[in-house]
Amino acid sequence: KAGVTQTPRYLIKTRGQQVTLSCSPISGHRSVSWYQQTPGQGLQFLFEYFSETQRNKGNFPGRFSGRQFSNSRSEMNVSTLELGDSALYLCASSSTSANTGELFFGEGSRLTVL
Amino acid sequence: AQRVTQPEKLLSVFKGAPVELKCNYSYSGSPELFWYVQYSRQRLQLLLRHISRESIKGFTADLNKGETSFHLKKPFAQEEDSAMYYCALLYNTDKLIFGTGTRLQVFP
Repeated sequence: KAGVTQTPRYLIKTRGQQVTLSCSPISGHRSVSWYQQTPGQGLQFLFEYFSETQRNKGNFPGRFSGRQFSNSRSEMNVSTLELGDSALYLCASSSTSANTGELFFGEGSRLTVL
Repeated sequence: AQRVTQPEKLLSVFKGAPVELKCNYSYSGSPELFWYVQYSRQRLQLLLRHISRESIKGFTADLNKGETSFHLKKPFAQEEDSAMYYCALLYNTDKLIFGTGTRLQVFP
């Protein structure tokens, strides 16, 4: 079974631009969560989708948004990028409808904002 | 508010020494706690969960509700244990939050 796949793996943007990151969950997994990982803050929860519906949302500004498609693939978008958005964005999938705490993570998309 | 605290950013020990990675949480409900590990150049992965009460790779963790702690322990550290360790809390049965992580370095 292929693992969680995230694209692109690395990208560089400038302030004010917007970015879209993609995540393909493990086949059969319908829940997708997104986290922002930084050295100082650890992993911070962005949002979680299940069956195309946003089920949970973290405390990030509205510039951060996401969606999930019928095939469970998910995208997250960050608009009007700021320097502080530089981070590793991790996607994780889960097979269960309820969150059991067992997530399968991708390798991440490393975003650098200049 | 719900919170997971890992007070140590870095823990360095020698091979064969005991290891204890600290984790404290704040949550008024019934917590479910986990330890995740990220080895160098590998994905973040689940190490263990408190409800399983199992030992994985020699690591154990006991939930202490009185002290609101879930420390990760191993009696004899190995070099291959060097990694980043994250404690996580599942609350309201559907939100998983993580601590800031502790880097464990095991020297030969």
